[in-house]
Amino acid sequence: EVQLVESGGGLVQPGGSLRLSCAASGFTFSSYDMHWVRQATGKGLEWVSAIGTAGDTYYPGSVKGRFTISRENAKNSLYLQMNSLRAGDTAVYYCARVRGYCGGDCYYDYWGQGTLVTVSS
Amino acid sequence: SYVLTQPPSVSVAPGQTARITCGGNNIGSKSVHWYQQKPGQAPVLVVYDDSDRPSGIPERFSGSNSGNTATLTISRVEAGDEADYYCQVWDSSSDRGVFGGGTKLTVL
Repeated sequence: EVQLVESGGGLVQPGGSLRLSCAASGFTFSSYDMHWVRQATGKGLEWVSAIGTAGDTYYPGSVKGRFTISRENAKNSLYLQMNSLRAGDTAVYYCARVRGYCGGDCYYDYWGQGTLVTVSS
Repeated sequence: SYVLTQPPSVSVAPGQTARITCGGNNIGSKSVHWYQQKPGQAPVLVVYDDSDRPSGIPERFSGSNSGNTATLTISRVEAGDEADYYCQVWDSSSDRGVFGGGTKLTVL
């Protein structure tokens, strides 16, 4: 059974840092692209970052230069290092397994349960 | 950047058909995917590649995509279908994931 379990969320002050983790099991982690998607309370889904099987990374402009996605295949783990956090980064952060090819048709077939990040003084 | 536009809400009576649209510039040239999200839960994939269903998703869920509009159709709507629905594409021109703003389906 595929499982994705996020951890590392919590309360952080503006300008602070936080590292999220996503523990994967039930599939060959190294063979899949992985993404982070976030959702502010009462708002829609927002793509946050992507990492390919070769370690290539992608970010939207809203987090580029502040967030870093990484993976450790030996530990079946995905990470999101978040620096210079702002109030607008407050959200539930989901890790998601990617199917398809992110040159055209990639989508998310499994999601974790999410971890809440709150940026507030 | 690529933008996907969804109606904020759709209402339908039980047993009727719900249609949720997702508009985007020449979206018919992209693969569109749909997610269902119930309160307090993670999203669940219900349609991928415009019209395919993952295993375990009822046949009542179907999708189409042409021109500037993709559509998620839910036939014989049940109370349990009440949820938020999101469309999603990957914008290969900018290497960005894109979600629509979401549509709240209310079953009357």
